[in-house]
Amino acid sequence: QQQVKQSPQSLIVQKGGISIINCAYENTAFDYFPWYQQFPGKGPALLIAIRPDVSEKKEGRFTISFNKSAKQFSLHIMDSQPGDSATYFCAASYSGAGSYQLTFGKGTKLSVIP
Amino acid sequence: DTAVSQTPKYLVTQMGNDKSIKCEQNLGHDTMYWYKQDSKKFLKIMFSYNNKELIINETVPNRFSPKSPDKAHLNLHINSLELGDSAVYFCASSQGAISYGYTFGSGTRLTVV
Repeated sequence: QQQVKQSPQSLIVQKGGISIINCAYENTAFDYFPWYQQFPGKGPALLIAIRPDVSEKKEGRFTISFNKSAKQFSLHIMDSQPGDSATYFCAASYSGAGSYQLTFGKGTKLSVIP
Repeated sequence: DTAVSQTPKYLVTQMGNDKSIKCEQNLGHDTMYWYKQDSKKFLKIMFSYNNKELIINETVPNRFSPKSPDKAHLNLHINSLELGDSAVYFCASSQGAISYGYTFGSGTRLTVV
């Protein structure tokens, strides 16, 4: 199973600041890169996803930046709010027919302080 | 109306016991999964079923046995529970290839004492 390396392990950001979480992958066949958000006591929920044919995808305050040559992608949370405090997971997979497995990073615990 | 529901939410049991966790999805998805989340929050896939057929079976002790009676259900039975089995177990589902994302259940926290 190919690894997806995620950093930092934990992150503290002041309200209104920018939160940045980074991931790197090894398998060049990966072509689907989602981010999941998990609140305590809940299951992970799909937040935003990107494919390598674009370098950036934005949804509201959440942006994925993708660097195919470096095999890296990152999540930016603009104007971070206390309600964004959660654990964030990056993941990667090959999205072709017969592909069913997401490989997750180890997660980043984000705390947004007022 | 919960999309992926797991029961029970909490399970405390003694070493050596046998227990089951049930999962049901009402999304019409054809693929279901079991993931284990350890104390460090790491998510690791255990099993995946597509149209009731086992397609992923990671290195998991034989004490763990999944069963899919139909496309909407995937249950996990664990025999001879050990302390190291303590974790949160998540069921998830997707439609076809995973490019449309997983939908996770809210998890079952298993504590073996």
